Amino acid sequence: TQLLEQSPQFLSIQEGENLTVYCNSSSVFSSLQWYRQEPGEGPVLLVTVVTGGEVKKLKRLTFQFGDARKDSSLHITAAQPGDTGLYLCAYDRGSTLGRLYFGRGTQLTVWP
Amino acid sequence: DTGVSQDPRHKITKRGQNVTFRCDPISEHNRLYWYRQTLGQGPEFLTYFQNEAQLEKSRLLSDRFSAERPKGSFSTLEIQRTEQGDSAMYLCASSLEPANNEQFFGPGTRLTVL
Repeated sequence: TQLLEQSPQFLSIQEGENLTVYCNSSSVFSSLQWYRQEPGEGPVLLVTVVTGGEVKKLKRLTFQFGDARKDSSLHITAAQPGDTGLYLCAYDRGSTLGRLYFGRGTQLTVWP
Repeated sequence: DTGVSQDPRHKITKRGQNVTFRCDPISEHNRLYWYRQTLGQGPEFLTYFQNEAQLEKSRLLSDRFSAERPKGSFSTLEIQRTEQGDSAMYLCASSLEPANNEQFFGPGTRLTVL
């Protein structure tokens, strides 16, 4: 059972467009993490959101954690080809083990 | 610090053969994780080490899979009698205490079982 639902699964856009991808669940999380994974590489952590309603910005990327801490979104302004990759959201259960549970990801392709 | 490294990067094998992958974590990291990622999916947890102790194993880790971290540094993941369903990217990650510290992922080993 996939606890984290990510949408859309695929997104193909032109350079300069804006986009939003979503990470939804019916469960409440203490935090959510966003990763980007490029082809042939491992995921790289972009941000961790912790507080309900929190907004974090990383250059052209804006991350928001839902007020109820059940969902999160990633908005990219003026997308560039370098933003191409698989965007994954993930959570841990807050245990001492630290294992991560990932969604299926959104595969973003930005065309020049 | 060169980050997490994995070897080999790619492995093609025939069904029924055994394969072994190696992960070298960031040197001072005491936690090490193995994940598996198939096409169209996010990474799925396989197993976790704290120093040399294997503290958790997923149900995905069948009897054909074994992982070790003998000296609390590098780790190996062995798959015996490979099956086509084992074809996937095998990712290693490492981190420091406490548990919510960032996990740094290696580039993965892509396994293809023919």
